Amino acid sequence: QIHLQQSGPGLVKPSQTLSLTCAISGDSVSGNSVAWHWIRQSPSRGLEWLGRTYYRSKWYNEYGVSVRSRIIINADSSKDWFSLQLNSVTPEDTAVYYCAREMGSKVALWGQGTLVTVSS
Amino acid sequence: EIVMTQSPDSVAVSLGERATINCKSSQSVLHSSNSKNFLAWFQHKPGQPPKLLIYWASTRESGVPDRFSGSGSGTDFTLTISSLQAEDVAVYYCQQYYSTPYTFGQGTKLEIK
Repeated sequence: QIHLQQSGPGLVKPSQTLSLTCAISGDSVSGNSVAWHWIRQSPSRGLEWLGRTYYRSKWYNEYGVSVRSRIIINADSSKDWFSLQLNSVTPEDTAVYYCAREMGSKVALWGQGTLVTVSS
Repeated sequence: EIVMTQSPDSVAVSLGERATINCKSSQSVLHSSNSKNFLAWFQHKPGQPPKLLIYWASTRESGVPDRFSGSGSGTDFTLTISSLQAEDVAVYYCQQYYSTPYTFGQGTKLEIK
């Protein structure tokens, strides 16, 4: 059974970097038919796709328009996890952040969610 | 990017009645290579991660009750709940995965009348 376990701080100060990790059990982050996503949800913006990473002989990253200049998604094949880094956060980045797994074009498996509040 | 627009923003339906949510994409999400619409529907309840209900616009995910159905093609899509149950109260989102960046609609809040 495949499971995604998120970890990371729930409070980040403005202008600092938000960092979250998603640990994968039961699957490989470098699998040739899967992709790994970060998505967030806030009352003001609803669900917002942040980006994804996937391995097809090499690593590919794709990012959402609103965060493209501030986001990095990395993966670690040796430990089967992937991470989200969002730089220069503001209170507008306050949201519940989710990691998720895509296979066969279905984003059907999600992490438990992490509420991240941006506040001094 | 493809812009997804849902209607209505919120809707109240009586138990046992039909609920309909619409989704429109700013460009077609029908892929010519496989004749599939790259459109999914998610249900989101407070405190839970979103749940995939429908993919390829009309294919029900395993375990999803058959009162949920998806239809449409190209740029216009519909999620229908044939007989509303109390546990269906949630926010519903459409999402296109035709091209990155993947994009969601703004969400439709479904309540009991």
